[in-house]
Amino acid sequence: ETGVTQTPRHLVMGMTNKKSLKCEQHLGHNAMYWYKQSAKKPLELMFVYSLEERVENNSVPSRFSPECPNSSHLFLHLHTLQPEDSALYLCASSQAPSGTEAFFGQGTRLTVV
Amino acid sequence: AQSVTQLDSQVPVFEEAPVELRCNYSSSVSVYLFWYVQYPNQGLQLLLKYLSGSTLVKGINGFEAEFNKSQTSFHLRKPSVHISDTAEYFCAVSAHSGNTPLVFGKGTRLSVIA
Repeated sequence: ETGVTQTPRHLVMGMTNKKSLKCEQHLGHNAMYWYKQSAKKPLELMFVYSLEERVENNSVPSRFSPECPNSSHLFLHLHTLQPEDSALYLCASSQAPSGTEAFFGQGTRLTVV
Repeated sequence: AQSVTQLDSQVPVFEEAPVELRCNYSSSVSVYLFWYVQYPNQGLQLLLKYLSGSTLVKGINGFEAEFNKSQTSFHLRKPSVHISDTAEYFCAVSAHSGNTPLVFGKGTRLSVIA
């Protein structure tokens, strides 16, 4: 496989469930990102892992918890989500420092019921 | 901090007509500029990028963009669009210094009409 792979592609979960989104990149990059894409809103950067440093967007609720065990894998752990958390969650990777483009996965379409 | 403004949320255009999607940015430091395309239920795919050098940048699928530093713009153009160009287009910026993630505009929905 090449590029950035996200699993699952679609996820429906109840508000009391716990689930995880997975992202894997095969590009040898050292930075990985989670973005949230909601209808009629700009892409929101949620979390960044770069050169083993985590940069967190302070407005992200604690019900979203990232994990980056190594430079190739990124997880987003979800618990007690709300219906407004339904969105397309996109993972991306790039080579730090900046100057190169980010490569995106196909996203996970999350629906919270 | 950087910001991006895409002035048009939707642009309808007839097939084989030219199109321009506008992008303006704001930054106190030098930036890199990007255009991405997103097809339905897909992730973002890079169309083109400006890092340095020639201000006219050519990308995939016949698109090009011109960096204008004085106007802080990076408009995307295509001389003749196809139905398959119907998609969402995002302009993005990142700062030269440090390791700053991409900052995206709100996107422009291009609808090509047969």
